[in-house]
Amino acid sequence: QKEVEQNSGPLSVPEGAIASLNCTYSDRVSQSFFWYRQYSGKSPELIMSIYSNGDKEDGRFTAQLNKASQYVSLLIRDSQPSDSATYLCAVRNDYKLSFGAGTTVTVRA
Amino acid sequence: KAGVTQTPRYLIKTRGQQVTLSCSPISGHRSVSWYQQTPGQGLQFLFEYFSETQRNKGNFPGRFSGRQFSNSRSEMNVSTLELGDSALYLCASSSTGSAETQYFGPGTRLLVL
Repeated sequence: QKEVEQNSGPLSVPEGAIASLNCTYSDRVSQSFFWYRQYSGKSPELIMSIYSNGDKEDGRFTAQLNKASQYVSLLIRDSQPSDSATYLCAVRNDYKLSFGAGTTVTVRA
Repeated sequence: KAGVTQTPRYLIKTRGQQVTLSCSPISGHRSVSWYQQTPGQGLQFLFEYFSETQRNKGNFPGRFSGRQFSNSRSEMNVSTLELGDSALYLCASSSTGSAETQYFGPGTRLLVL
């Protein structure tokens, strides 16, 4: 079983719609969770960190964490063409980040 | 604050050679981590250093090594390069704790011929 798994993509959404990204993790004791955005040819850029159960909102982005279900999600509201990228879910344990394979999102104008 | 910097940005080597990559963390950050990113394997953890001590190491062969200096700058070395070592090597820095957010540098793209 992989440490971090993300819903397979690619995900194509029309401009203005909501993009929903999901992630599950295997290590029940994980405490820190992150979403990174990576444009083609660039390095990962932090979008959101979340540590407690529930929702955390930052602008058009909302992260949700459910530790009992070992599940993290990211919602992108009012999707824009500039949101087209690969989104990486990451879980931090023992001083390292474990990443999912990423979900590629394309926002259609 | 200036971000994480990595040098060189691009590198071409041949099989059997060795390579050293450098990373300067964000000012004040004492933890530096290294990751390898390939299309097939995704982002994989190599090792993490804090105050010149390696705190964790990923599942890579001994050809991959690293170190951290007293000013928190870090280097990683790959000896006896193989074609499969072609990848984007990313460095990330964070303040101190194990839960801290990591911020990535631009990466070094290594091509092994």
